[in-house]
Amino acid sequence: DAGVTQSPTHLIKTRGQHVTLRCSPISGHKSVSWYQQVLGQGPQFIFQYYEKEERGRGNFPDRFSARQFPNYSSELNVNALLLGDSALYLCASSLERLGGRRTFGSGTRLTVV
Amino acid sequence: GQQVMQIPQYQHVQEGEDFTTYCNSSTTLSNIQWYKQRPGGHPVFLIQLVKSGEVKKQKRLTFQFGEAKKNSSLHITATQTTDVGTYFCAGHDGGATNKLIFGTGTLLAVQP
Repeated sequence: DAGVTQSPTHLIKTRGQHVTLRCSPISGHKSVSWYQQVLGQGPQFIFQYYEKEERGRGNFPDRFSARQFPNYSSELNVNALLLGDSALYLCASSLERLGGRRTFGSGTRLTVV
Repeated sequence: GQQVMQIPQYQHVQEGEDFTTYCNSSTTLSNIQWYKQRPGGHPVFLIQLVKSGEVKKQKRLTFQFGEAKKNSSLHITATQTTDVGTYFCAGHDGGATNKLIFGTGTLLAVQP
C-alpha cells in the first residue's frame, strides 16, 4: 500500500506569490491534517479535514486555506507568501475523525525568497 | 492556547547510556502520542497512551502517561546509534476539534 504522498517535494517561491501543496492520504483514510514545521521546532497544526469538512484550525492567518476532495486528497493554499512561511509542510492522514495515530508524508520543503 | 513543552531540548549520550525526555502540557489531555523524527525525515508514530498512569513498553523504550494526564515521559534503555533523532510528544485536548498539538521536541545525539 502506498503511504501518504505529497507534492511537490521542494518549492522555491518569491514573496507575494501564491502556492498550492498537495497531499494524497493512505487508502481508506478519510482524515487529513496539515502541519508547518520550521527548522528546529515541532510541527505546528494548521488544519484538519475529515469527510471533506474542516474539523480543526490552528492559529494561522487567513492567507492559509485548504480543502479536501471527494477522493480524500487535500490541497493547502498559501496566498501572499512571506519570508516567514519558509518551512517544511507536512501532511498526515488518519482513520479516525478524532484521535488516532497520524501517518505523515515526507513533506514539501517551501523556500520563500 | 494549549502548550506542550518538552525537556531537555537536546541530549548527548554515549552509546549504551539511558535517555529520558519529559513532556508537560498546560491542559489535561485525552491521550498522548509519541513520534520520532530522524534528521531530514518526517515524524513517525511510535505509540499512543490513553489511560491515566498508563505505562507501555516497546523493546528498549518505555512510555508513561501521568496520573493527571498532563505529562508524559519516554525512557530509552541502553541507547544505540539508531536511536538518534528528535522525539516529539503530541497531545489531543479531547475537544470537538481534532487538534494534535506537538511538543517542542528533544533532540537525541548518540556517540558510538
